[in-house]
Amino acid sequence: AQSVTQLGSHVSVSEGALVLLRCNYSSSVPPYLFWYVQYPNQGLQLLLKYTSAATLVKGINGFEAEFKKSETSFHLTKPSAHMSDAAEYFCAVRVSGGSNYKLTFGKGTLLTVNP
Amino acid sequence: NAGVTQTPKFQVLKTGQSMTLQCAQDMNHNSMYWYRQDPGMGLRLIYYSASEGTTDKGEVPNGYNVSRLNKREFSLRLESAAPSQTSVYFCAGSNRGPGELFFGEGSRLTVL
Repeated sequence: AQSVTQLGSHVSVSEGALVLLRCNYSSSVPPYLFWYVQYPNQGLQLLLKYTSAATLVKGINGFEAEFKKSETSFHLTKPSAHMSDAAEYFCAVRVSGGSNYKLTFGKGTLLTVNP
Repeated sequence: NAGVTQTPKFQVLKTGQSMTLQCAQDMNHNSMYWYRQDPGMGLRLIYYSASEGTTDKGEVPNGYNVSRLNKREFSLRLESAAPSQTSVYFCAGSNRGPGELFFGEGSRLTVL
């Protein structure tokens, strides 16, 4: 069964520092992978998605993620953190059964950005 | 264009009471989903509807029922609320293709 594991429930960085949020996946078939962001008291917004077209995926707000099959990873990065990046981030994998699709989410990583 | 709209946004219930969370989308989504979010647990799928007229159980369906009223609307019902159902509930929709979900803003439910 497809699943994702997010390493680190809480990551704290300084403003301007590199952001690295880790996600490892488990899948018996080529996966579709997603990163979502949730700002306080809001729903989830799609940051980026991997659908096998390119291993380096660029998303909104300067975030990107690299699909590494050999490491079964899909880590999220941003070169320079901004205060507005403070949020909770979720990695997800698409699970399919026949013609049905659903996403399975990791437990989330809370990103804190310190001034 | 409202996207995915959930009502109510906040609700307090007493144990044993029933209620229905409503979800409507104007994005022509074929599939719709109900998730619950609890601290440290991420999002867990309760029920989903791959298309109008079909519903399937997700990871945590016990204590819930759903209705896909038409293509636009997907409701979640708690027949006899329990404190363990205190959570934030999210409705989402998607179309064919990569399968990314579009979420509503959530409904915060407290069961006393």
